[in-house]
Amino acid sequence: GAGVSQSPRYKVTKRGQDVALRCDPISGHVSLYWYRQALGQGPEFLTYFNYEAQQDKSGLPNDRFSAERPEGSISTLTIQRTEQRDSAMYRCASSTNRDRSYEQYFGPGTRLTVT
Amino acid sequence: AQSVTQLGSHVSVSEGALVLLRCNYSSSVPPYLFWYVQYPNQGLQLLLKYTSAATLVKGINGFEAEFKKSETSFHLTKPSAHMSDAAEYFCAVRFALGGKLIFGQGTELSVKP
Repeated sequence: GAGVSQSPRYKVTKRGQDVALRCDPISGHVSLYWYRQALGQGPEFLTYFNYEAQQDKSGLPNDRFSAERPEGSISTLTIQRTEQRDSAMYRCASSTNRDRSYEQYFGPGTRLTVT
Repeated sequence: AQSVTQLGSHVSVSEGALVLLRCNYSSSVPPYLFWYVQYPNQGLQLLLKYTSAATLVKGINGFEAEFKKSETSFHLTKPSAHMSDAAEYFCAVRFALGGKLIFGQGTELSVKP
């Protein structure tokens, strides 16, 4: 596709439910990143992949959060047993390794609301 | 610890006035530096980036930023503000090849007619 896409754009879920957020990166981009952005704050890193390998998951807040990218393209961020504090904008970005700046291209985000 | 600080969570300027948004980073090695803009209900869009080529970087929409190693700063400027510049601006740094971006807390720019 032309850009990074994310689905769903909006998700409202009840506390305790599991949610899966999807990211479809720019075709051919090697690296894929997940960030979380609280209202009025900058995005905070969660995890990233090179191809299908998870390179850094130091930003995942606890073991309820997990991510995968099994075929090196689409990625899913899963939050189990959601809590109200998980409400935020979840952003995905991708980059190519051909440009040494590793410029990250962001998707529109998924707004998650946990009630 | 590596960090990014944006001075001023809200900046208000008149249309036609100079825009100056401040960004300082803490690091012992020069990082890669970025400015992103976020319009309401939209994703983050790259304005410009510093990758150790030239210290004065020109971006889209008339914005530019100057990397000053001695001051560990990367302030964003635009000579003349336009109403369409009203948005939230984020400074970000990357310290490792292919690694995560560390964002500042953002500066909301308002432009008065």
